[in-house]
Amino acid sequence: DADVTQTPRNRITKTGKRIMLECSQTKGHDRMYWYRQDPGLGLRLIYYSFDVKDINKGEISDGYSVSRQAQAKFSLSLESAIPNQTALYFCATSGVTGAYPETQYFGPGTRLLVL
Amino acid sequence: RKEVEQDPGPFNVPEGATVAFNCTYSNSASQSFFWYRQDCRKEPKLLMSVYSSGNEDGRFTAQLNRASQYISLLIRDSKLSDSATYLCVVNNDYKLSFGAGTTVTVRA
Repeated sequence: DADVTQTPRNRITKTGKRIMLECSQTKGHDRMYWYRQDPGLGLRLIYYSFDVKDINKGEISDGYSVSRQAQAKFSLSLESAIPNQTALYFCATSGVTGAYPETQYFGPGTRLLVL
Repeated sequence: RKEVEQDPGPFNVPEGATVAFNCTYSNSASQSFFWYRQDCRKEPKLLMSVYSSGNEDGRFTAQLNRASQYISLLIRDSKLSDSATYLCVVNNDYKLSFGAGTTVTVRA
């Protein structure tokens, strides 16, 4: 089984709808991240959480919110989806121990299309 | 200015060739550096860390030049399976900044 899972894998929604993307991990990591990827722009950080009670905005948090329900679960919500939120969304995790604690492990991604 | 900039390529090379490309980063206080590999819009995966003294991992060699703020990746004896997008990644306080990627296509 994958260490980092994302649901749904694909989603089509309409402008104005609220949607939630979910991320779960079995790696036992404290740190979790949400990114979006657009062609030619690379991955951009939306929100990150270093533990259950810690939530921080990334570089492009407007229009998004998150919830860290447990160490293993980190959800991303689009309160009112708009077409320019069409993108590939990745969840990632990282630990605090080991030689390279900053190494991040990614889920398989969610392809979101907002019509 | 983007925090991490890469030549997007594509680099089209024959099997067995050597290909090299760089990236530059803007934050001189960045603590650590990586190359990630991404296949066809799948999830990025860590290829290798980049050490100040330079390091090799099989056919892959990474170099870091802190004074000039650039990182390089060299692939020797290219294989068809090396075809991918290579992401230059810079760590600042456990937040990673990604370049847009360099696409490499290895042809038979």
